[in-house]
Amino acid sequence: KNQVEQSPQSLIILEGKNCTLQCNYTVSPFSNLRWYKQDTGRGPVSLTIMTFSENTKSNGRYTATLDADTKQSSLHITASQLSDSASYICVVIDRGSTLGRLYFGRGTQLTVWP
Amino acid sequence: EADIYQTPRYLVIGTGKKITLECSQTMGHDKMYWYQQDPGMELHLIHYSYGVNSTEKGDLSSESTVSRIRTEHFPLTLESARPSHTSQYLCASTVTTGYNEQFFGPGTRLTVL
Repeated sequence: KNQVEQSPQSLIILEGKNCTLQCNYTVSPFSNLRWYKQDTGRGPVSLTIMTFSENTKSNGRYTATLDADTKQSSLHITASQLSDSASYICVVIDRGSTLGRLYFGRGTQLTVWP
Repeated sequence: EADIYQTPRYLVIGTGKKITLECSQTMGHDKMYWYQQDPGMELHLIHYSYGVNSTEKGDLSSESTVSRIRTEHFPLTLESARPSHTSQYLCASTVTTGYNEQFFGPGTRLTVL
């Protein structure tokens, strides 16, 4: 069972609308949580990084929240644009290993329609 | 934009051929990684390196091999490609400070016929 679960699997919204993507994880001990954006055929690009002591972090129209107690995170996208169409991947880093083991979710495929 | 490069970006090749996927980074990062990603699925770690002359296998068993002779270069080789090797291969690197953030290359989409 994957230790990082994302929902929904896919989402279609109209341009200009807001949306929220969810991430639940079971990774422990927890170091930090990241949201990546991956365009089709490209490598993931980091949007936000949060440690266990951070509740929210913003990057432009992207706002990530973290509840380390319930092991949940969300990524909120405001005023969506066509260029937001991509896969959004939640990544949790394990504090317990020297490698800094990364656990990847399968991503939420977001499509923004004009 | 991270300075990590992968070539080729796309490769279509016949079964049994030997291939090498190139990955280079100009950031001086000590740690480098190879991931395999199938459509709609999560990234799986297949190889990693802590530094020059250091290579380890990742979580997902892979018939590929890697080498790390120079800090900036981490090529992946398949001695005999098979259709089951068809996938996207992503290279990443990181420096062991702060958040240990990984920077990804653009990926190589490999198709084995």
